Amino acid sequence: GEDVEQSLFLSVREGDSSVINCTYTDSSSTYLYWYKQEPGAGLQLLTYIFSNMDMKQDQRLTVLLNKKDKHLSLRIADTQTGDSAIYFCAERANQGGKLIFGQGTELSVKP
Amino acid sequence: GAGVSQTPSNKVTEKGKYVELRCDPISGHTALYWYRQSLGQGPEFLIYFQGTGAADDSGLPNDRFFAVRPEGSVSTLKIQRTERGDSAVYLCASAEGAQTGELFFGEGSRLTVL
Repeated sequence: GEDVEQSLFLSVREGDSSVINCTYTDSSSTYLYWYKQEPGAGLQLLTYIFSNMDMKQDQRLTVLLNKKDKHLSLRIADTQTGDSAIYFCAERANQGGKLIFGQGTELSVKP
Repeated sequence: GAGVSQTPSNKVTEKGKYVELRCDPISGHTALYWYRQSLGQGPEFLIYFQGTGAADDSGLPNDRFFAVRPEGSVSTLKIQRTERGDSAVYLCASAEGAQTGELFFGEGSRLTVL
């Protein structure tokens, strides 16, 4: 079946890099996503990567995909207090359009 | 509208009552998704529509839950005989198509069953 796992909490200092990790089980996943959720707000897409890519960079965000280990990571460079939020990893299976989400990683950025 | 709109934003009801939650997707988006998010959890898939038809309803927990999208735009999630365990934030998302990249989420409808 499809399952996505994330660690629950991460705390970093402002200016440091943050790395949020995710593992998934469906080897047929076509796209993998990172969403951000701030308190009281909806989910906002940060970035996504197609399964035939190893890396994608977008300004302060770097996504790394290891298909062999079914491991996805999100690196945020120069983390700011405004980056404090819950980050969700999600996979889209090859069959059908639904996204399967992880439990979310709460990122806390201390000044 | 500019984004996905969900109403009501908050709904408090009593156990056993019937509830309807509405989602107005981004204009032109053919795919529409319903998710449920409990406190401290990630969104849990319920159902998605491609056009008017339910393409995948495998996430609906039981037959008390039903969703429609009669004209391929607005969708309503219907919950009969609500139970306390149905309390959650119900999220709606839309996308240009079921196979394309980005789902745009609304802010959710918070349902509390007393």
